[in-house]
Amino acid sequence: QKEVEQDPGPLSVPEGAIVSLNCTYSNSAFQYFMWYRQYSRKGPELLMYTYSSGNKEDGRFTAQVDKSSKYISLFIRDSQPSDSATYLCAMKTGSNTGNQFYFGTGTSLTVIP
Amino acid sequence: DTAVSQTPKYLVTQMGNDKSIKCEQNLGHDTMYWYKQDSKKFLKIMFSYNNKELIINETVPNRFSPKSPDKAHLNLHINSLELGDSAVYFCASSQAGQNYEQYFGPGTRLTVT
Repeated sequence: QKEVEQDPGPLSVPEGAIVSLNCTYSNSAFQYFMWYRQYSRKGPELLMYTYSSGNKEDGRFTAQVDKSSKYISLFIRDSQPSDSATYLCAMKTGSNTGNQFYFGTGTSLTVIP
Repeated sequence: DTAVSQTPKYLVTQMGNDKSIKCEQNLGHDTMYWYKQDSKKFLKIMFSYNNKELIINETVPNRFSPKSPDKAHLNLHINSLELGDSAVYFCASSQAGQNYEQYFGPGTRLTVT
């Protein structure tokens, strides 16, 4: 079983829709939960991060972590064509040993104008 | 100012050749990584160096050899290239103790023919 599971999609939505992206994980030691956005032919860039459980909002983006269910989500409100990209979830334990980040497989999102 | 840079951006070569990819970061980070991203967008950790010391060495053929001449540089040398090595290789950096953010380079698209 992979450490982090993510539905690869692809996901195609009309402009203005609410998008929900999800990941599940198996390692209960994960404490840091990140969402990266990767445009075509570019490197991933950090979109949002959350420590432990709870919600975090940044503009049109909301990240949620449910540690009891080992489930994280990213919601995009009022989606725009510029949101079309691959979204990767990533996780990390709190330990600095190895400093290893565990990534999901990424979900490809297309927002249609 | 480019935070994490990689050269070359594209690399097309024949099976059996040896090639190197270079990475430099100007963020003052102490940890650097090499990832391989396959055609399905899965980002797989290969190596990680902390202060020039190898700390993560995933199951990677020993044809791949990383070298870190100093904290700001991490190069990847690949011997006897195979068709299956075709992928995008990303360099990334982070700071130990900074538990949520990695900065990625633009990627090197390697095609082995």
